[in-house]
Amino acid sequence: NAGVTQTPKFQVLKTGQSMTLQCAQDMNHEYMSWYRQDPGMGLRLIHYSVGAGITDQGEVPNGYNVSRSTTEDFPLRLLSAAPSQTSVYFCASSLRGNTDTQYFGPGTRLTVL
Amino acid sequence: AQSVAQPEDQVNVAEGNPLTVKCTYSVSGNPYLFWYVQYPNRGLQFLLKYITGDNLVKGSYGFEAEFNKSQTSFHLKKPSALVSDSALYFCAVRDISTSGTYKYIFGTGTRLKVLA
Repeated sequence: NAGVTQTPKFQVLKTGQSMTLQCAQDMNHEYMSWYRQDPGMGLRLIHYSVGAGITDQGEVPNGYNVSRSTTEDFPLRLLSAAPSQTSVYFCASSLRGNTDTQYFGPGTRLTVL
Repeated sequence: AQSVAQPEDQVNVAEGNPLTVKCTYSVSGNPYLFWYVQYPNRGLQFLLKYITGDNLVKGSYGFEAEFNKSQTSFHLKKPSALVSDSALYFCAVRDISTSGTYKYIFGTGTRLKVLA
């Protein structure tokens, strides 16, 4: 198993550009989520999904879109990048969402100029 | 909404000494609590969780955590620290959204530095 994979590892954008951060898991997990990590702020939940076709907002959803068309993939879209979105982004998955361990990807470091 | 607080940004401990990383929680109903560790330039890794049952939970790499309902705490402990334990530690709690789905709220993290 590859576990949770994220691409790209690094990305630099200009303000106003859009892009998609990719996340995939091969463990047949129902639950997937996106977090951003900022110094002093810990991890903050952006969006999450409890299964294909079902998504919900987390603590900081503004400026981000998600979709879950398959069990394996959970892409995060930045619609119009802003410097405030400079962060490290982590995708995670778990078998179900109730009390299961989350498995995290290696992260994407995004810089918005 | 549920929340967790990690009151210390950094904890320093000498190798071989016991370590404690603190976490307090605020929940309505039964708490479901987790500890994760992050090594430099890596994603988070699960250490342990409290769902129900014994208040002392044992986890990976010799770590354990004590659930204390009266003090609303879930402190991470290890009897003898190793230099390799130096990392960023996160406490997390399960929350339930208004739509009834589960989500996880993380603390701000505590950096543990074990000194040789």
